[in-house]
Amino acid sequence: EAAVTQSPRNKVTVTGGNVTLSCRQTNSHNYMYWYRQDTGHGLRLIHYSYGAGNLQIGDVPDGYKATRTTQEDFFLLLELASPSQTSLYFCASSDAWAWGGYEQYFGPGTRLTVL
Amino acid sequence: GEQVEQRPPHLSVREGDSAVIICTYTDPNSYYFFWYKQEPGAGLQLLMKVFSSTEINEGQGFTVLLNKKDKQLSLNLTAAHPGDSAVYFCAVSAGTGGLSGKLTFGEGTQVTVIS
Repeated sequence: EAAVTQSPRNKVTVTGGNVTLSCRQTNSHNYMYWYRQDTGHGLRLIHYSYGAGNLQIGDVPDGYKATRTTQEDFFLLLELASPSQTSLYFCASSDAWAWGGYEQYFGPGTRLTVL
Repeated sequence: GEQVEQRPPHLSVREGDSAVIICTYTDPNSYYFFWYKQEPGAGLQLLMKVFSSTEINEGQGFTVLLNKKDKQLSLNLTAAHPGDSAVYFCAVSAGTGGLSGKLTFGEGTQVTVIS
């Protein structure tokens, strides 16, 4: 059974639309991350969290909000979607800080298109 | 801050041949190095993690080499097979956990194995 799941897998919205991407992990990890993947840029960190109720800003946070409601659930919110946010979004979890040498476990991704 | 350049962006290799992907990083304090594999329609999966003291590490069908002098990390796919067709990412961190840490991904290499 997949340990990190994301929904929806595909989403199309219009400019100015409101979008929520969901992520759930069953790894019992405290650390969760949202990335976007764009050609030529690799993965870029949007927001991350080290526990329920905790939120930290990543490298490309503009236009995004996030909420961590439980240890398992992490949401990414686009309140006024723009075409520049068309991307492939990944959620990941880890046992401790990913940059402290810990493996990240990734979900299958959500492809978002903003028209 | 850390910058990671990954080359080549695309790689075609005949089945049974070898192929090399190279990441060049800038921070001499980099300590943890990761290779992730992304198969079509799936999230990233860890191939291998190497530490500062590791120079060569072998896995199933691949070899990872760390050259700290030249600040290069390489992934050598040996005897490529169709299952190796995927996007490969390197990721580098200075090993600092906590809010001041950072994990930097390369841009990715699309590998296509031709039968």
